[in-house]
Amino acid sequence: DTEVTQTPKHLVMGMTNKKSLKCEQHMGHRAMYWYKQKAKKPPELMFVYSYEKLSINESVPSRFSPECPNSSLLNLHLHALQPEDSALYLCASTGTGNPEAFFGQGTRLTVV
Amino acid sequence: GQQLNQSPQSMFIQEGEDVSMNCTSSSIFNTWLWYKQEPGEGPVLLIALYKAGELTSNGRLTAQFGITRKDSFLNISASIPSDVGIYFCAGQSTDSWGKLQFGAGTQVVVTP
Repeated sequence: DTEVTQTPKHLVMGMTNKKSLKCEQHMGHRAMYWYKQKAKKPPELMFVYSYEKLSINESVPSRFSPECPNSSLLNLHLHALQPEDSALYLCASTGTGNPEAFFGQGTRLTVV
Repeated sequence: GQQLNQSPQSMFIQEGEDVSMNCTSSSIFNTWLWYKQEPGEGPVLLIALYKAGELTSNGRLTAQFGITRKDSFLNISASIPSDVGIYFCAGQSTDSWGKLQFGAGTQVVVTP
């Protein structure tokens, strides 16, 4: 299994809503990532978890809250988002000491 | 975050033609990765390069790790319609674990 699975695929939420994005991998990877991608732009790193601990936070606003419940799961909790937060949110994972990132299909988020 | 210089920005080619794109950086990298992203999907890893001068092929794709460790190129030979997508280069240096730097992407359009 070389897949990274993200749910939901699409999400529309209001600025006062609370929602969560989910990511799962069963490759035994111990590093997991959240990226944000705007149309026709490269992915931008948001958070990195290594061995279930947050190791990198790229100065992301607190309305985005990551969580890594175990080595296979990664969540991104969303609260009080702004329309400019609308984007494709990508999850990725890498094996220990290996930079080759495997990406999920992404969640297309629209904030209204 | 910082981006690599990737060119060209877009390419409109006829089926059967070869495609060439490259990335340059002001920093030395120890890893170069090439990804393809189709609409509505996450990036898919095509080729990974780890040694200066390394030339690696994956079917009709060929990529090279520049000898200065500051550049890489990707060639697609005999293009077909399913080569359509955005191709991203990504590099990682030894002092930036977990942080891939992405190029701006090359959009490839193949016409029959």
